[in-house]
Amino acid sequence: DAMVIQNPRYQVTQFGKPVTLSCSQTLNHNVMYWYQQKSSQAPKLLFHYYDKDFNNEADTPDNFQSRRPNTSFCFLDIRSPGLGDAAMYLCATTQSGSSYNEQFFGPGTRLTVL
Amino acid sequence: AQKITQTQPGMFVQEKEAVTLDCTYDTSDQSYGLFWYKQPSSGEMIFLIYQGSYDEQNATEGRYSLNFQKARKSANLVISASQLGDSAMYFCAMREDPHVTGNQFYFGTGTSLTVIP
Repeated sequence: DAMVIQNPRYQVTQFGKPVTLSCSQTLNHNVMYWYQQKSSQAPKLLFHYYDKDFNNEADTPDNFQSRRPNTSFCFLDIRSPGLGDAAMYLCATTQSGSSYNEQFFGPGTRLTVL
Repeated sequence: AQKITQTQPGMFVQEKEAVTLDCTYDTSDQSYGLFWYKQPSSGEMIFLIYQGSYDEQNATEGRYSLNFQKARKSANLVISASQLGDSAMYFCAMREDPHVTGNQFYFGTGTSLTVIP
């Protein structure tokens, strides 16, 4: 089945220790997103890629970076995680060109910062 | 102004009853899509149903239907015959015309639904 895969599902890191979250997709969608979601809140968009074009949200902290080496993979790097970065990180994909195309989400990576 | 507004932070419904979750939206685009997602405690966002702005009929998917009132800019989700497994957070989202405003999706703040046995 075509899908969005995130690894790992759970990540524990120490305060200040860099961490990388990964996302892959078999849907061949040209748009990929990274969201941060804290408990009982809406997902907050961090970045999205339209093909290789990178779009950074204005309020995304510099501590967060992203890479998309090819269509299928996208990575989220947190350079120096703080306690406030503990959250669920969701990767999503869609196809551009129509407002009728939905987003497909991965299962998420739950990040704990000790 | 908020693009998507969900005014019900929490809702309770008796098992086997129907429930309506409210969603209003704000856009000046002619072409847009409205989506509902379910998020159980596991955290995964599950796509439920969508409505296109040009669709004249309300969307339905099994026990889910979307009450689309374009003039009122509302897109309420109706869940019929509620089940215990429906207990989750529900998000309404909108995608505007990507040729005009890019590929961003806008999410509401969500409604937490609890189904009571």
